[in-house]
Parts: sequence; C-alpha cells; structure tokens
Amino acid sequence: EDQVTQSPEALRLQEGESSSLNCSYTVSGLRGLFWYRQDPGKGPEFLFTLYSAGEEKEKERLKATLTKKESFLHITAPKPEDSATYLCAVQAFGGSQGNLIFGKGTKLSVKP
Amino acid sequence: SAVISQKPSRDICQRGTSLTIQCQVDSQVTMMFWYRQQPGQSLTLIATANQGSEATYESGFVIDKFPISRPNLTFSTLTVSNMSPEDSSIYLCSARVGTTNTGELFFGEGSRLTVL
Repeated sequence: EDQVTQSPEALRLQEGESSSLNCSYTVSGLRGLFWYRQDPGKGPEFLFTLYSAGEEKEKERLKATLTKKESFLHITAPKPEDSATYLCAVQAFGGSQGNLIFGKGTKLSVKP
Repeated sequence: SAVISQKPSRDICQRGTSLTIQCQVDSQVTMMFWYRQQPGQSLTLIATANQGSEATYESGFVIDKFPISRPNLTFSTLTVSNMSPEDSSIYLCSARVGTTNTGELFFGEGSRLTVL
C-alpha cells in the first residue's frame, strides 16, 4: 500500500535556527513528490515538485531534496512568517487517476 | 498555476440537512478532485470529478452521501448529504492544470463545515 510518513509531527525553532523536515514514502512507483505549505484556515499552497532521486529545488529559505526512500525540506535561517504546516504528498504510477497521497504534515513554529 | 474559488468558505449546518459546495477554476483543467481534511488529519481523497459523467469514488465514500457534478471543464460541485456531526470537516477542491495527469495539484481555500 502506498504510504507517506512525515516527521517530526511538530517542530519549534528560534528565528534563524536552521532545521530539516522529513518525508518517508513507500510507493509502487514514484511519479512525483510534492511539498505544500498550509496556513491555518487555508488550503494547501504548492511549493515544490521532485521527480527523481538526487533532484533538488530551492525557493527563498526552503530547499527540497529527494532520495529513493525519502525527501527532506531544509529550512535555512527561518523567520516567524515561515510558521505553517508543511505537507508532503506523492503521486504513484497506477494511482487513482493521478491523485496525490498526503502525509499528516509537520507543524512548524518559528519564534522571534 | 491556477486560482480555485470555493464557496461557501464556511457554514454551520443542522443534522440531517444537505449542503452543496461549489468550485470554480480560472485555468484550463485536466482533472478535478475533492478532498476532505478532518481536524488534525491530513487530506483524504473523496473522489475524482469527471466531466459530464459520474465521479470516481475512493474506498469508503459513496455517491449517495457525496454526490458530485462536473458539468464543464472548470466547474464542479460536491454535496454532503444527510449530514451528521461526523461530517464536520474541511472540504477542499483541487485541480491539475495542463494537458497531462501528472504534476502538482492546486487547491481552493476550503469549505469548513460544522454540523450540529
């Protein structure tokens, strides 16, 4: 069964304290891995897509990397406005008409 | 990218009633989906909305409870029927733009339903 596990469930950082969020996945065949940001009361906002092991994507203070079993979202020198829940999702070959399977997310809090 | 508008954004409903959520996308869309996000949980796919035909439902979701329409490429509705407090959740419309069924999904802001 295709599965996505995110850790930690919650992460509290001081402003400027860099860290990483983990997304482990088990799929029959990975078509793509996606990172989203979700603010309270809002829908998920797309951040990155990764398609193959070794691929990296960057956007401001965020950098996503991918291996054959997991993905990391690295946050460099975070600011309070980076506080949100970060969701990881995978699309598998042969999946239900191309939908995404989501993890439960990591809730990030960045204190000034 | 795509801008996805959902309404209502929130509603409080009485047990036994039904509510229809509307979703409008501003771009050319290949696929539209409806997800549910229960409190403290991640997103669970309810169904794929198919243009001009019956939706494709995931295990645990049935058409009688969650009828879905998609009369054209950019518009879909989800009805939550005969609601109970267990249906209190955020319902999210999502869409994939472009010409393939691979790639990121874009999401609406969600419709937060509270059933009393």
